[in-house]
Amino acid sequence: KQEVTQIPAALSVPEGENLVLNCSFTDSAIYNLQWFRQDPGKGLTSLLLIQSSQREQTSGRLNASLDKSSGRSTLYIAASQPGDSATYLCAVKIQGAQKLVFGQGTRLTINP
Amino acid sequence: EAGVAQSPRYKIIEKRQSVAFWCNPISGHATLYWYQQILGQGPKLLIQFQNNGVVDDSQLPKDRFSAERLKGVDSTLKIQPAKLEDSAVYLCASSLGGAGFYEQYFGPGTRLTVT
Repeated sequence: KQEVTQIPAALSVPEGENLVLNCSFTDSAIYNLQWFRQDPGKGLTSLLLIQSSQREQTSGRLNASLDKSSGRSTLYIAASQPGDSATYLCAVKIQGAQKLVFGQGTRLTINP
Repeated sequence: EAGVAQSPRYKIIEKRQSVAFWCNPISGHATLYWYQQILGQGPKLLIQFQNNGVVDDSQLPKDRFSAERLKGVDSTLKIQPAKLEDSAVYLCASSLGGAGFYEQYFGPGTRLTVT
């Protein structure tokens, strides 16, 4: 059974810092991995999607990496801003299945 | 392009009452998903439809939860009777197809509180 873990559960950093969020999964037989952002009371917004054959994806100040063999992914946020405050979720799509398996999320707070 | 629509946004009911949630997916999306997100946890898939057929409902508590997708477009999720542990956000998502490379798009969710 695929399990996805995100550490830390919460993170608070001052504005301007670069930071890394971690995601680990137990079964390397994944189709892809996706990072989402969730603001309070809102749905999920997709940030980056990495196919299993890829090593990383970049969008603006965000960079996500994938090491399938070790079951790890990281989301790097450069020059953090207060507007980046949200919960960040990673999810894997299992090969042969169509559902996403989510981690529990990391609640990020950027202090001005 | 309009996103995934859900209603209501918030609902408060007492235990043992019934409740229904509605989802309208993105136009043309054949696959529809219902997720349950309990506070502090990641979303968990309850049921997945491909057009109007069920693909996966392995984690749906079928003694109290039911879902349908008539005509392969809109979908409703019902809970009857509700329990305190059903308090959660119910998220609807849709994708063009069910294959692995299709991206899922999420609605704003319905926050359910059972008292």
